[in-house]
Amino acid sequence: KNQVEQSPQSLIILEGKNCTLQCNYTVSPFSNLRWYKQDTGRGPVSLTIMTFSENTKSNGRYTATLDADTKQSSLHITASQLSDSASYICVVSVEDSSYKLIFGSGTRLLVRP
Amino acid sequence: ETGVTQSPTHLIKTRGQQVTLRCSSQSGHNTVSWYQQALGQGPQFIFQYYREEENGRGNFPPRFSGLQFPNYSSELNVNALELDDSALYLCASSLAHSRNTEAFFGQGTRLTVV
Repeated sequence: KNQVEQSPQSLIILEGKNCTLQCNYTVSPFSNLRWYKQDTGRGPVSLTIMTFSENTKSNGRYTATLDADTKQSSLHITASQLSDSASYICVVSVEDSSYKLIFGSGTRLLVRP
Repeated sequence: ETGVTQSPTHLIKTRGQQVTLRCSSQSGHNTVSWYQQALGQGPQFIFQYYREEENGRGNFPPRFSGLQFPNYSSELNVNALELDDSALYLCASSLAHSRNTEAFFGQGTRLTVV
């Protein structure tokens, strides 16, 4: 069964600190892995997208890593800001005709002053 | 803003009623996917439309149906609403020439079934 699992479920950090979110997946056949940021009640916004041949990709203070052998990914946030408070969702694309995206349940991040 | 717009933003319906949600895709995009997101959960794939044809479906009953129009906008219809249908419904548009293409999400429609 295609699944994407994320940890931790929730996280509280102080403004200015770094954090790392984890994602494990059992999706086959694998096409690509994406990280999205979702503010409460809003649609997800893409942060990074990586194919199996890419190990790392950065977008400003966000850096995603991918280990296709162990089927693990991480999202590292540097120098957190209050506006980083949101849910971060790991998404894996299935390599079939429907371009289906399998979403994790997300990590809810709260950045406190 | 992603260029993907959904309407309405909020909706309250009674159990047993029918509802239609609408999505305008980003200019140039020919593929629209619909997702259901229950509170505190990740979105679940409902179905996808590519050039007006259904191109994949998730584990949702037939009372969830859809349409895509020649301008690539799309509708999601849900018949015989149940309380568990209460969720945020998201549509995403993409240009389906590559599986690595970016998917852009609308802001969602919050459906409450009472």
